[in-house]
Amino acid sequence: ILNVEQSPQSLHVQEGDSTNFTCSFPSSNFYALHWYRWETAKSPEALFVMTLNGDEKKKGRISATLNTKEGYSYLYIKGSQPEDSATYLCASLPNFGNEKLTFGTGTRLTIIP
Amino acid sequence: DAGVTQSPTHLIKTRGQHVTLRCSPISGHKSVSWYQQVLGQGPQFIFQYYEKEERGRGNFPDRFSARQFPNYSSELNVNALLLGDSALYLCASTPWVAGGIQYFGAGTRLSVL
Repeated sequence: ILNVEQSPQSLHVQEGDSTNFTCSFPSSNFYALHWYRWETAKSPEALFVMTLNGDEKKKGRISATLNTKEGYSYLYIKGSQPEDSATYLCASLPNFGNEKLTFGTGTRLTIIP
Repeated sequence: DAGVTQSPTHLIKTRGQHVTLRCSPISGHKSVSWYQQVLGQGPQFIFQYYEKEERGRGNFPDRFSARQFPNYSSELNVNALLLGDSALYLCASTPWVAGGIQYFGAGTRLSVL
């Protein structure tokens, strides 16, 4: 993996269902993995920053895991609500000492009431 | 406390003109980064400034320049605008350079005609 890749590109989920999506990043050059939530016409909002292999983070109904050896992270949303509709971006930070995030193209999540 | 503020919100320019975009970081934040987001892609890193010095530069032509002022606000300048410069320009601030959460503004939408 040379770039940060996210899948799927878009997702429609029924309200109340749980869902997850994937972020793949270069494992050979890694310092931190960021997840951001971006609602239309608003600022991207940080969800998680993870650095250690095996890290698991949780914020309400949203959680994330990190595998730095194989270069992937999963984001899980439990019991989806309409307010979860947004684009979810992941970004890899290869080095400590600068803030040069490399973003994926995002997963656009739409919750169907 | 105010978040990251960017001005203007929207801007329309013609090819060949130059443009200045402005960013005010969160109070106390000394690092500012600039990103370009073209429709359908993730944000792409342009510059990072910390304590008024350039700490990182992305793969952008010399037509793009930036600076940071003593109050830590920042300007992004783009000369000789091309149609392909049409994008959302995001600014993000952090307290220091440590790979942590970046706090984003809502962006400036630049249209080049």
